[in-house]
Amino acid sequence: ETGVTQSPTHLIKTRGQQVTLRCSSQSGHNTVSWYQQALGQGPQFIFQYYREEENGRGNFPPRFSGLQFPNYSSELNVNALELDDSALYLCASSLVPDYEQYFGPGTRLTVT
Amino acid sequence: GESVGLHLPTLSVQEGDNSIINCAYSNSASDYFIWYKQESGKGPQFIIDIRSNMDKRQGQRVTVLLNKTVKHLSLQIAATQPGDSAVYFCAENMPGTASKLTFGTGTRLQVTL
Repeated sequence: ETGVTQSPTHLIKTRGQQVTLRCSSQSGHNTVSWYQQALGQGPQFIFQYYREEENGRGNFPPRFSGLQFPNYSSELNVNALELDDSALYLCASSLVPDYEQYFGPGTRLTVT
Repeated sequence: GESVGLHLPTLSVQEGDNSIINCAYSNSASDYFIWYKQESGKGPQFIIDIRSNMDKRQGQRVTVLLNKTVKHLSLQIAATQPGDSAVYFCAENMPGTASKLTFGTGTRLQVTL
């Protein structure tokens, strides 16, 4: 059984640029959630995708958007990057919504 | 590796002792609670969960206690080992919120030999 994987591991972008982060869910899981973790803080919920539809969103602006594909992998897109977007971006998958979530290793995004 | 939780509360325990990590959760309507362990450079790892219709749940070397009256959650780790050193987060979920987990600020556990 393959766990949750994320790519890339690290990424450096310039303010104003756009970025796409990728996540492959654990085998058999159809739900993917994305979280932002600033240094020294707990993860904050960005949004969740279930069967290719957005299934809930946290307090993040519309420049944070996502997609889920038929194989249940997912992308997180962030437009017009700001310095405060620098964080660890975590993807978590679960068998169905409202069930135990398994996290990937994260993508460390640095915005300069 | 990455450094998680540079300025978090820290609990230092000796190897072999029991650890108790506490968490105050924010919403009385939350009905599902989870403890995660996060090591440097890694994503959070599920430890144990508990639903609001229970007040205690045990796993292998870990016990979670839930006190809904004072909105308090604790994680007890028996016979703490060096491999238990990490940052521990509690997370809560409210019903009907699509598994939107709300995480606490975290506690760093340091195990001394």
